[in-house]
Formats: sequence, structure tokens, C-alpha cells
Amino acid sequence: AQKVTQAQTEISVVEKEDVTLDCVYETRDTTYYLFWYKQPPSGELVFLIRRNSFDEQNEISGRYSWNFQKSTSSFNFTITASQVVDSAVYFCALSAGGSYIPTFGRGTSLIVHP
Amino acid sequence: EPEVTQTPSHQVTQMGQEVILRCVPISNHLYFYWYRQILGQKVEFLVSFYNNEISEKSEIFDDQFSVERPDGSNFTLKIRSTKLEDSAMYFCASSFPGGGHSYNEQFFGPGTRLTVL
Repeated sequence: AQKVTQAQTEISVVEKEDVTLDCVYETRDTTYYLFWYKQPPSGELVFLIRRNSFDEQNEISGRYSWNFQKSTSSFNFTITASQVVDSAVYFCALSAGGSYIPTFGRGTSLIVHP
Repeated sequence: EPEVTQTPSHQVTQMGQEVILRCVPISNHLYFYWYRQILGQKVEFLVSFYNNEISEKSEIFDDQFSVERPDGSNFTLKIRSTKLEDSAMYFCASSFPGGGHSYNEQFFGPGTRLTVL
């Protein structure tokens, strides 16, 4: 069985602060995929990134960066110089065992104050 | 850029009524999915559909739910007799099978908010 834990329920920061959203996953499969999605107040799910278990390189995309650590089963997401538009709920997800169905974490609500 | 669309954006219904949520997947996609998100909670998988049949379903997807691809473009989720606890956001997604080690990327629609009174 797969499990995704996002221990931070809500994070509140002031604009321009850096913020890291934690994600810890559990799976017995050696092949798996990890994801981050953003859900703004309008409700849609916006895909941010997918990572497979064989690629531990960290990734940077503009102000976003992801740190994948297999040794600690974590896939953390950092927003540098946060902006008010980053305010949203962020979900980490995992798919494994040959299934393309992601198991989602409970989400972290990020509030960025001006 | 092609996208998954869903209608209506918000549906209000009375308990016990039937509802049909509609989705138009991306046109060349072959796999279709429904997910549910109760307000403030995580997104949960309901069902996947391929080649005109259900390929996988979760415990949530009981006899009250059904899915159909009535024509070449629509993919629907029917809830036969709605309950208060069916109130949620329902997301449709679609994907195209990846070749080799390619991942079967799912593209999500904007969701339908269902409110059962």
C-alpha cells in the first residue's frame, strides 16, 4: 500500500520569504512516481512536477525547486521569494506498483501575506 | 493547448436525486478517470475507464456510482441517489498511454462542485 504524508496542514508566510513544503512517502515498490499539484482557491488541480524513482536529481523551475531524497523517502518542495499568487493548497502524490493512479497527501495550505 | 473540460462547474441537487457529471477528455486520450475531493480533504480516486469498461475502482465507487462513455467525446459519472456525503468536488482526468517507460500522464479537468442538500 502507498501512503503520502504532508505533516504541515497550513503554512503562513510573508511575501518574499522562502518556504518549504514537506512530503514523506511510503511504498514497497522500487518503481514509483512522485508528483506535486497546486490547487488555487478557484479549485482546479494544476500539475507542477513528476519525478520517477530512478531520478534523484533535484529540479529547479523558476522560483520552484524540488528535493528528492530516497534515503529519507521525502520529496520536498521549496518556493523561493514567495508571492501572494502562490497562495494555494499544495498536494504531494505518489503512484506505484504499476498503477498510474496517484495516492494524494492531505495537502498543505500555503498563505502568502503581502 | 488541449484540455479536459467539465460541466457543470457547480451542481446543486436534493438528496435522493440522480446527478450526471460530464467530462470531455482530451480528444486522443484513451484512459479516463474520476476523482473526488470532499471539502478541505485530499483528492481520492474513484474509477478508471479504458476500452469501454472499468479498469480499476476504489472502495468509494459503490453501486450508487456508474460511468459511461456515451459517445466519442463525453465521459460521464452518474450518482443514482445522492446522499449528503456525496457533496464534493469531482475531478475528471484523462491520459494517453505512454510507450515503453513513458509515464501515463493524467490531465485534470477544472472540477464540478456537487452540493447535495
